[in-house]
Amino acid sequence: QKEVEQDPGPLSVPEGAIVSLNCTYSNSAFQYFMWYRQYSRKGPELLMYTYSSGNKEDGRFTAQVDKSSKYISLFIRDSQPSDSATYLCAMSAYRNSGGSNYKLTFGKGTLLTVNP
Amino acid sequence: EPEVTQTPSHQVTQMGQEVILRCVPISNHLYFYWYRQILGQKVEFLVSFYNNEISEKSEIFDDQFSVERPDGSNFTLKIRSTKLEDSAMYFCASSGGQGKANYGYTFGSGTRLTVV
Repeated sequence: QKEVEQDPGPLSVPEGAIVSLNCTYSNSAFQYFMWYRQYSRKGPELLMYTYSSGNKEDGRFTAQVDKSSKYISLFIRDSQPSDSATYLCAMSAYRNSGGSNYKLTFGKGTLLTVNP
Repeated sequence: EPEVTQTPSHQVTQMGQEVILRCVPISNHLYFYWYRQILGQKVEFLVSFYNNEISEKSEIFDDQFSVERPDGSNFTLKIRSTKLEDSAMYFCASSGGQGKANYGYTFGSGTRLTVV
C-alpha cells in the first residue's frame, strides 16, 4: 500500500462549483497535514495546514482531517478559473531528535481545471 | 512576502558532468530542504539540513549528492556525475522561523535539470 494516495484526476468543474479533493494515507504516525497548490513549472505553494484531526477554514478553502479513517480533504467553495492548478496533499510525522524536522510525504497531486 | 530563490531556473548538462543547484532560503528560517519531482511523478524528499549538518536524507540521496551552506545565505545541492535519470525539477524549501512553530514549508520555484 502506498504511503499517501491521491486521485490524480484530472478534475474539470464549472466556475462557482464546490470542489472536493481527497487523500488517503497508511502511516498512522502522520500528524501534520498540508495542502499545496502548484501551478505549471512552479514550486508548491502552501494553502492550508492542519494538525491532527478536525476542520480548518480559510476563506473559500476548508481542510478536513479524519485520522480514524486516515483520510483528508480539501474543499474549495465558489471555485474560480484562477484556482486551476495541481493540488498536492502532504503530510508529516513529528520527530523530536537532533533538530530533525518535518519531512513531507506528498500525494501525486490532482489536476483541477475550473472552466469560466 | 519572503521568498525562496533558486538559480538557475533551467540547467542542461551532459551525462557524467557535475552540477550545482543554488538556493537562497528565507533569511530567518532554520531548516532547509531539497526535494525533487520527476515529470509526472510525486514530489520526493531528498534531504533536510539543520544547524549546518544533514538531519535526514532519503534513499535517493546517495554519495552522488551533497549539500552545503557555504555562507549565511546560500544553500546548494551538488550532483556529481549526473545520470539521465537525474533529470527532474529540484525544489529547495525552508521552514522554521526563529522562535516560531515549525510548520509549513516555503518552496522555491525550482530548477529544471535536464541531463542529456
